Amino acid sequence: AQSVSQHNHHVILSEAASLELGCNYSYGGTVNLFWYVQYPGQHLQLLLKYFSGDPLVKGIKGFEAEFIKSKFSFNLRKPSVQWSDTAEYFCAVSRSGGSYIPTFGRGTSLIVHP
Amino acid sequence: KAGVTQTPRYLIKTRGQQVTLSCSPISGHRSVSWYQQTPGQGLQFLFEYFSETQRNKGNFPGRFSGRQFSNSRSEMNVSTLELGDSALYLCASRRGGENEKLFFGSGTQLSVL
Repeated sequence: AQSVSQHNHHVILSEAASLELGCNYSYGGTVNLFWYVQYPGQHLQLLLKYFSGDPLVKGIKGFEAEFIKSKFSFNLRKPSVQWSDTAEYFCAVSRSGGSYIPTFGRGTSLIVHP
Repeated sequence: KAGVTQTPRYLIKTRGQQVTLSCSPISGHRSVSWYQQTPGQGLQFLFEYFSETQRNKGNFPGRFSGRQFSNSRSEMNVSTLELGDSALYLCASRRGGENEKLFFGSGTQLSVL
């Protein structure tokens, strides 16, 4: 079974700072990769996803993530965060080639100070 | 299009009791998954139902069970509640094919006293 590791549990930044949240997974086969976000008081929602093709994926609200297969990583980045990016971020991985359910990481709580 | 609806929003139970949570998926979605969310463990997968059949299962004890009805609505049952079952239980739906994103509900916050 695959597992997902998110290195940073809590991140505190000031507005305009750059963001990078780490995500590593353990599974030797082909994978689908996701980042979900949970804003305060809202549902979990998809931020971006990677299935195949260009390893640099762009999502909503200026977020992007890069899949580095050799490092089993799918780090989330944003060049300049805003106060409204304060949320919980979850990395998720599913095995490709079937109706597999994603395995989620523990999540990273991001607080952005205005 | 209505989103994923979970009821009730909050529940307080005592140890040893049993509880049933309900989830109505987005119209047309045949897959319903359940997750347990806790601050220290993140989201842990419980099980997935597709067309009334359990299709995937996580590593939870048999006290956790579920079912899905012909209209795709799903229920999750936890018997003999333990303090450690206190968590936010999330339901997510998708049409059912590969690579589809999950649509989450607001969750049911269960507190076991």
